Amino acid sequence: GAGVSQSPSNKVTEKGKDVELRCDPISGHTALYWYRQSLGQGLEFLIYFQGNSAPDKSGLPSDRFSAERTGGSVSTLTIQRTQQEDSAVYLCASSPRVGGYYEQYFGPGTRLTVT
Amino acid sequence: KNQVEQSPQSLIILEGKNCTLQCNYTVSPFSNLRWYKQDTGRGPVSLTIMTFSENTKSNGRYTATLDADTKQSSLHITASQLSDSASYICVVSGYQGNLIFGKGTKLSVKP
Repeated sequence: GAGVSQSPSNKVTEKGKDVELRCDPISGHTALYWYRQSLGQGLEFLIYFQGNSAPDKSGLPSDRFSAERTGGSVSTLTIQRTQQEDSAVYLCASSPRVGGYYEQYFGPGTRLTVT
Repeated sequence: KNQVEQSPQSLIILEGKNCTLQCNYTVSPFSNLRWYKQDTGRGPVSLTIMTFSENTKSNGRYTATLDADTKQSSLHITASQLSDSASYICVVSGYQGNLIFGKGTKLSVKP
C-alpha cells in the first residue's frame, strides 16, 4: 500500500513569507507526527496528533509554527513569517496509534530553504 | 535530561567489511530502543526495535544489541554493501511514547 507522502518535496521561500507543508499519512493510522531535521542535527519533535484528541504541541519552537489535521487524515504544518533558521527538512510520520512501541512510518520530507 | 548520544559521528569502511555503531542513552523511564536507517533524501526506515528485556535482535545483516543496565546499544553490520551507505539513527522511547532521537552516524561504504 501507499506510504506516507509529503508535498512539496522542496520549497524555497523568502524570509518573512508564510509556507504550508502537507502530509498524507498511511490510511487508517490515527497518530501523525511532525519533526524537523536541521543539517547535522538529530530529528526534533514538533507536534503530534492522535485521533480526535487535542494535539501535543510541546515541541513547536515558536508561535509562528502551527499545524492542523483535517478529518483525522491529512495534516498541514504552517510556518508564518519564515526566518532563515527555519531552513531544514520537515518530516512527517504516521503510526497506527500513539505509543512508544508502535512503529512510525516516515515520509520523504520537505526540504525548506529560507533565503 | 533525556539524551541519546551516538558514535562515531561518521565512518568510512570498505565493501565487505563489518562495522559497529554505538548508542548511549540517559532516557528514563525506558520503553524501547529502535535503530533507523535513513538514506539521503529519504525518511528514516526502522531496522530493529528492542524492549528492555531483549538483548539482541537481528534483521538480515543488521544485528542490534541492548544492555539496559549500562544503557548502551550497538548496531553491527556484517559484510557491508554499497547500499548500506546511509545515516543510522538510534531512537529511544519513554513510556509516554516520547521519542528521543540521536544525531545519527553517517556510514559510507566504499568499493
